[in-house]
Amino acid sequence: EPEVTQTPSHQVTQMGQEVILRCVPISNHLYFYWYRQILGQKVEFLVSFYNNEISEKSEIFDDQFSVERPDGSNFTLKIRSTKLEDSAMYFCASRSGGEQYFGPGTRLTVT
Amino acid sequence: EDQVTQSPEALRLQEGESSSLNCSYTVSGLRGLFWYRQDPGKGPEFLFTLYSAGEEKEKERLKATLTKKESFLHITAPKPEDSATYLCAVLATDSWGKLQFGAGTQVVVTP
Repeated sequence: EPEVTQTPSHQVTQMGQEVILRCVPISNHLYFYWYRQILGQKVEFLVSFYNNEISEKSEIFDDQFSVERPDGSNFTLKIRSTKLEDSAMYFCASRSGGEQYFGPGTRLTVT
Repeated sequence: EDQVTQSPEALRLQEGESSSLNCSYTVSGLRGLFWYRQDPGKGPEFLFTLYSAGEEKEKERLKATLTKKESFLHITAPKPEDSATYLCAVLATDSWGKLQFGAGTQVVVTP
């Protein structure tokens, strides 16, 4: 069964460093998303992406964040200068119909 | 402002003891309501989509129902493998795909 994959599973970085989180969505899906979940809190929407452009973003998704679909299979989230408060699980999701399918997540730890 | 509230926060059940989880929502217009299951350290796993009041969906021991203000997830004769956090999320009609999640109900089923 097709699934969303994410790499790495765990990333540790120092405050101020840039990180890139990678996702491979399900192959025939056209809509892509990033969410995050701070430990013990709700899953929060970051951004949606369709037809090579951002279609919606949250207040969390400021100038420090960017997304890209560099080729036909990958979808990336870049954080330019990480802060301690960026520590969270980051989930990629994709959909073709109504429901979004989530990846296993990348745990980002900022020290 | 859109809001999704789940209750109870936690539920401890004996194997075979049926129960219901509640998701109440306030949204300007509902495009869809989604139920996910989340195991510790993993991404949300899609269970059901409900689109209109009166709709019901069923899968094994789980049944989801929808009214104009809330949704219920009924767990019938649960087994220990049903232990997980169950998440409810709404998609508003004015959104491109931004799921708004509740905090979840953590279910523990003991043998």
